[in-house]
Amino acid sequence: DAGVIQSPRHEVTEMGQEVTLRCKPISGHDYLFWYRQTMMRGLELLIYFNNNVPIDDSGMPEDRFSAKMPNASFSTLKIQPSEPRDSAVYFCASSLDRWGGQGYEQYFGPGTRLTVT
Amino acid sequence: GDSVTQMEGPVTLSEEAFLTINCTYTATGYPSLFWYVQYPGEGLQLLLKATKADDKGSNKGFEATYRKETTSFHLEKGSVQVSDSAVYFCALERAGGSYIPTFGRGTSLIVHP
Repeated sequence: DAGVIQSPRHEVTEMGQEVTLRCKPISGHDYLFWYRQTMMRGLELLIYFNNNVPIDDSGMPEDRFSAKMPNASFSTLKIQPSEPRDSAVYFCASSLDRWGGQGYEQYFGPGTRLTVT
Repeated sequence: GDSVTQMEGPVTLSEEAFLTINCTYTATGYPSLFWYVQYPGEGLQLLLKATKADDKGSNKGFEATYRKETTSFHLEKGSVQVSDSAVYFCALERAGGSYIPTFGRGTSLIVHP
């Protein structure tokens, strides 16, 4: 398997523009996570899905952020409108279902470095 | 709520030195514990894990023992290499209920030749 795939790897955009980040999880994984990483706040969980259904979006900073998972092999994180404080590295991760067990690792993608000017 | 506390970095060592990165946690029940490593420009990847008390996880010369009595999961390596330079994250996963992983802030390790 190619691992978790994210695109684009780098995105530079102007304040006010819409940004869409994309993720393809590992085939067969039931959970998908979106994280944001900054020097100031470290690694933050934004939202996660189980079997394409959003389970917890309490980490989404505000209404400008939205995430979808239309099928098991694709998810998007959208920021509209973008602001300079959204500049960060955004990671997507996937993992197996946890039902009846624990200790399942997360597999992270390479991340998308977003710069909003 | 659950939390993970790691020692602040950066940790700077010479090659072949002994490494310890401290990690303590707060969680209800019996969580699974993880160490992830992030190399420059990459995503996090699992380094090792332990799922119950007194378990020892090990990989690539790194070790960590799940100590429930001290709620700790310290990472150790006997002889570090320049290639070990990275950011190391301690994390926990609490069994049962809604799944929300908890990561520490990360500890940067810099190894000089």
